[in-house]
Amino acid sequence: KQEVTQIPAALSVPEGENLVLNCSFTDSAIYNLQWFRQDPGKGLTSLLLIQSSQREQTSGRLNASLDKSSGRSTLYIAASQPGDSATYLCAVYNYGQNFVFGPGTRLSVLP
Amino acid sequence: DGGITQSPKYLFRKEGQNVTLSCEQNLNHDAMYWYRQDPGQGLRLIYYSQIVNDFQKGDIAEGYSVSREKKESFPLTVTSAQKNPTAFYLCASSIDLGRGQRQPQHFGDGTRLSIL
Repeated sequence: KQEVTQIPAALSVPEGENLVLNCSFTDSAIYNLQWFRQDPGKGLTSLLLIQSSQREQTSGRLNASLDKSSGRSTLYIAASQPGDSATYLCAVYNYGQNFVFGPGTRLSVLP
Repeated sequence: DGGITQSPKYLFRKEGQNVTLSCEQNLNHDAMYWYRQDPGQGLRLIYYSQIVNDFQKGDIAEGYSVSREKKESFPLTVTSAQKNPTAFYLCASSIDLGRGQRQPQHFGDGTRLSIL
């Protein structure tokens, strides 16, 4: 059964710092991996989707990498801003199974 | 603008009461999903529907029921059999990804359910 963990559970950084969020999964036979953002009391917004054949995806200041063999993905946020404060969740999809979400990393960027 | 509307935003349930959470989408998506979110845990799938008049149990369906009479609507009923219903409930949708893919693409803003 696929399990997804995220470290750290919470992170607080000063504005302008580059940071890395980590996601680990136990079953490496994934179809794709997705990173989401969730603001307090809101739904999820998709940030980046990486197919199993890809190594990374970039969108603006965000870069997500995928290492299937080691069961890991990282989300890199460059030059963090207070508006980046949110919970970041990763989720993995194994073909024919249900999407499995990690518990999230709660990020606070201090001005 | 297209999107998913969940209502109400906050809901309180009394002991022994059934309550229904509404989810409506105007994205013309075929598939719809209900998730439960508890603090410190990932989202868990309750039910999903890939087509009108058909739905399947997710990982934690006990104590919940759904219907899919219209493409746009996928209401979730939390029954009295659900002994720990306090959580944040999220509805999601996706296009038909084919070949049994079950991957939500758009999410509503959730309903927070609490016990009185």
